[in-house]
Amino acid sequence: LAKTTQPISMDSYEGQEVNITCSHNNIATNDYITWYQQFPSQGPRFIIQGYKTKVTNEVASLFIPADRKSSTLSLPRVSLSDTAVYYCLVGDITKDSNYQLIWGAGTKLIIKP
Amino acid sequence: DAGVIQSPRHEVTEMGQEVTLRCKPISGHDYLFWYRQTMMRGLELLIYFNNNVPIDDSGMPEDRFSAKMPNASFSTLKIQPSEPRDSAVYFCASSSRTSGRKNTGELFFGEGSRLTVL
Repeated sequence: LAKTTQPISMDSYEGQEVNITCSHNNIATNDYITWYQQFPSQGPRFIIQGYKTKVTNEVASLFIPADRKSSTLSLPRVSLSDTAVYYCLVGDITKDSNYQLIWGAGTKLIIKP
Repeated sequence: DAGVIQSPRHEVTEMGQEVTLRCKPISGHDYLFWYRQTMMRGLELLIYFNNNVPIDDSGMPEDRFSAKMPNASFSTLKIQPSEPRDSAVYFCASSSRTSGRKNTGELFFGEGSRLTVL
């Protein structure tokens, strides 16, 4: 099971673009990269998932280089409400045996006014 | 759909008492997960079920913990006897191979049950 490394915390300001990078050096061929967001007193919530290159949805973009050993979550024009913990996970969600996604400590993102 | 529903939201009990946490997964989801979250250890997978059958319980800390899923719409996590070190937020999550975004197996979490054992 691939483990991930993320910065423990990051600060930014409203209106800025925030990029959070995650390292996953032992990612397997079939592994997907998934990011979740967790607010205090709530369960984690899916943000975005990708396999390679770039994925974009209504809230974020995910950049994955060709070697897939890292990924970057990009949050455009953040607001105070984006203050949360962000988790990067890797795993093969298509196989029963790999539903044991390992949750790291996540990155605590604090947005300042 | 109302999402994953957990109860109780908060539980305060004394050491040695039995604790039962409950979860109703999203209808149609065939995977159900129990997680525990603490500041020290982060999110830990305790056990997960597929089609009501426990698949992996290697994360269950010890025999004091047990989980059941008698049908597709209900699961329980029981701690007996409870100890202060069991204090944590317990999350239930459900999923299917095509839940949420197609073919992503997105996990949907409940709001958690905050357990305090005195």
